[in-house]
Amino acid sequence: DAKTTQPNSMESNEEEPVHLPCNHSTISGTDYIHWYRQLPSQGPEYVIHGLTSNVNNRMASLAIAEDRKSSTLILHRATLRDAAVYYCIRGTSGTYKYIFGTGTRLKVLA
Amino acid sequence: DSGVTQTPKHLITATGQRVTLRCSPRSGDLSVYWYQQSLDQGLQFLIQYYNGEERAKGNILERFSAQQFPDLHSELNLSSLELGDSALYFCASSGGVGFSENYGYTFGSGTRLTVV
Repeated sequence: DAKTTQPNSMESNEEEPVHLPCNHSTISGTDYIHWYRQLPSQGPEYVIHGLTSNVNNRMASLAIAEDRKSSTLILHRATLRDAAVYYCIRGTSGTYKYIFGTGTRLKVLA
Repeated sequence: DSGVTQTPKHLITATGQRVTLRCSPRSGDLSVYWYQQSLDQGLQFLIQYYNGEERAKGNILERFSAQQFPDLHSELNLSSLELGDSALYFCASSGGVGFSENYGYTFGSGTRLTVV
């Protein structure tokens, strides 16, 4: 079972941090956690991924629980442009496909 | 611009017809993946090609086929179209067989297919 569980929707105020949770309780030791987002009328866009340690890049931070059964995508200061559907996906390096869930629709309020 | 080019952006056709969707991967990427996104099914993996060879199949109908050419562009052929085939079709690419360590998969902006 390669599924992850995410809330259907979340809201955030502009300029505030956003924490998007993801549950992957059946994750295996070799599965990476990937996050993509899909802006309206666009294809999915890579955000970040990690295996065990917390990760930071220019777009976001990824906090992975010590038992790896959950993770949180952190947008440090939400902007209107961050309104999108955010997908949390499990994948093994070298895997050929992602299984997308329904994602979390993030609404950013001005 | 993600570097993955999909054409056409929009396509309207009648039931029973056949269409071809085209994808040019990011420069240097050897793998191409096709995904279908419909309102009720979300993003579904269809098929993957790596350097011209089929590597994996997902939920791809027998009426659908794909190929990757020597210049690495790919085409997805949809035949005997039905109303239910109306969807967004995305192409993604990556450097190797699987996702690329630094940037995962790069998706194009999609082709919106409407079957009437």
